[in-house]
Amino acid sequence: AQTVTQSQPEMSVQEAETVTLSCTYDTSESNYYLFWYKQPPSRQMILVIRQEAYKQQNATENRFSVNFQKAAKSFSLKISDSQLGDTAMYFCAFMIPYSGSARQLTFGSGTQLTVLP
Amino acid sequence: DTEVTQTPKHLVMGMTNKKSLKCEQHMGHRAMYWYKQKAKKPPELMFVYSYEKLSINESVPSRFSPECPNSSLLNLHLHALQPEDSALYLCASRLIAGGPRETQYFGPGTRLLVL
Repeated sequence: AQTVTQSQPEMSVQEAETVTLSCTYDTSESNYYLFWYKQPPSRQMILVIRQEAYKQQNATENRFSVNFQKAAKSFSLKISDSQLGDTAMYFCAFMIPYSGSARQLTFGSGTQLTVLP
Repeated sequence: DTEVTQTPKHLVMGMTNKKSLKCEQHMGHRAMYWYKQKAKKPPELMFVYSYEKLSINESVPSRFSPECPNSSLLNLHLHALQPEDSALYLCASRLIAGGPRETQYFGPGTRLLVL
C-alpha cells in the first residue's frame, strides 16, 4: 500500500516571500503520478501542479514549482512571491496509473499555509 | 474547461429526511468519484464509478446510495443520516485515457449538516 506523509501541519510565510512545503511518500512502484492540491477557505479543491515519476524535470506552474527526488521519495512544493490568496490547506497526493480503472488518489494529511500581510 | 459542478452548495437535513446531492461534468470524463471530507482532514473516498458502473464502494453505510444515470451525472442519495455524517461532500471526475490526463478534478462540494 502507498502512504503519503506531510510532516508540517501548519506553516506561515510573509507576503512576497518564498515557502517550501514538504511531502514524502512510500511505494514500491516505479511509475506513478504526484499532485499538489490546494483547498482555500472556500473548500474548493484546486489542482496546483502535477509530476510524472518518469520525468526527470521538475514541474513548474507560474509561481509554483516542485522539487521531485525520486530516490529519496520526496516531492516538495515551492511557492515563490507568496500572495494572500495562497492561504489554503495544501494536500500532497499520489496515484498509480495502472492500478485498474478506479485510479485512486492517496492523500497526505495536509499542510495549512497562512500568508501574512 | 475543467469544471465539475455540484448542487446544492449547502444542505441541512433532519435524521429522517431523504435528500440527494448532484454532481455534473461535461468534460467527457468516464470516471466519477464521491468523497467525504471533515474539517482539516484529507478527503476520504466513498464511491467510484467507471463507465457508469460502480467499481468501488469503500464500505460506506447503506444510508448513502450512489447513482450514475449517465456519463455526465452522478447522484448521492441520502436517507436516515446521522449527525456524524455532517461533512463536506466532494465530487470529482477523471478522464480515462492513460497518462497524466487522468488527473482528478474536483467540484466545489456540498456542505451537509445533519441535525
